[in-house]
Amino acid sequence: EVVLTQSPGTLSLSPGERASLFCRASQSLYSNFLAWYQLKPGQAPRLFIYGASSRATGIPDRFSGSGSGTDFTLTISRLEPEDFAVYYCQHYGGSSPDTFGQGTKLEMK
Amino acid sequence: EVQLVQSGAEVKKSGDSLIISCEASGYRFPNYWIGWVRLMPGKGLESMGVIFPADSDARYSPSFQGQVTISADKSLSTAYLRWSSLKASDTAIYYCTRALKYGSGWFFDYWGRGTPVTVSS
Repeated sequence: EVVLTQSPGTLSLSPGERASLFCRASQSLYSNFLAWYQLKPGQAPRLFIYGASSRATGIPDRFSGSGSGTDFTLTISRLEPEDFAVYYCQHYGGSSPDTFGQGTKLEMK
Repeated sequence: EVQLVQSGAEVKKSGDSLIISCEASGYRFPNYWIGWVRLMPGKGLESMGVIFPADSDARYSPSFQGQVTISADKSLSTAYLRWSSLKASDTAIYYCTRALKYGSGWFFDYWGRGTPVTVSS
C-alpha cells in the first residue's frame, strides 16, 4: 500500500501570503495519479487538483499543483480568507488501494 | 449542477443496523461511479468503496470488505451504505462522492455534505 505523508501538519499564515503544502509518497506514483481536496467543517469537501497538476472545475488559478514520482506540492500563490481549511492529498489508480494523506491544516495567523 | 444530497445524522447503539443514503442529481446517475469516504474523529479520510449504478458492480477497499455493503438504485438515482451490526468504532462522518475512474483507482470530483453517524456502546 502506498503511504502518503503530508507536511507540515499545521501551517500558520496570513492572507496575502504564499502557501506550500507537501505530499510525499512511499513509492513512485503511477502516472502521477494524485489529487488534492479541501475540507471545511459543515461543508461538502471539494476537489481542487487531479492528475497532480490539473485544476478541477471552478478552482481559482491561485491554486496550482506540481510534482512527480514521490514528491508533490499544492501551492496557493496568495492566500484569501476562504482558503483556510484542511487539505488532503490522495493517490489513486495504481496497483495498490487508493489512499489519502493525513491532512495539512492551513490556519490563519 | 451536480448535487449529492445525503440523509441526516444518525445516533445508534452497538449492534444496530443502519442504512444511509445519497441522492444524486444534475448528471446521468447510472453512468458514473459513486464512492463512499469515511472521516473518523481526529483522523484522515479513508476510501471505503465504490459502485457503478448501471450494473451495481461494487468494489471495496480491503479495510472495509465485509464490514459494509454498498448498493444503488438507478431508478431513484440513490446510493446506499449499509451496516448489519454497528460498532462504536464506526462513529464517523460518511461522505458520498461521485467517483471518476483512472487506471485501477478512483478520485472524487463531487461530494455530499456528509452524514454524521454516532454509535454508542
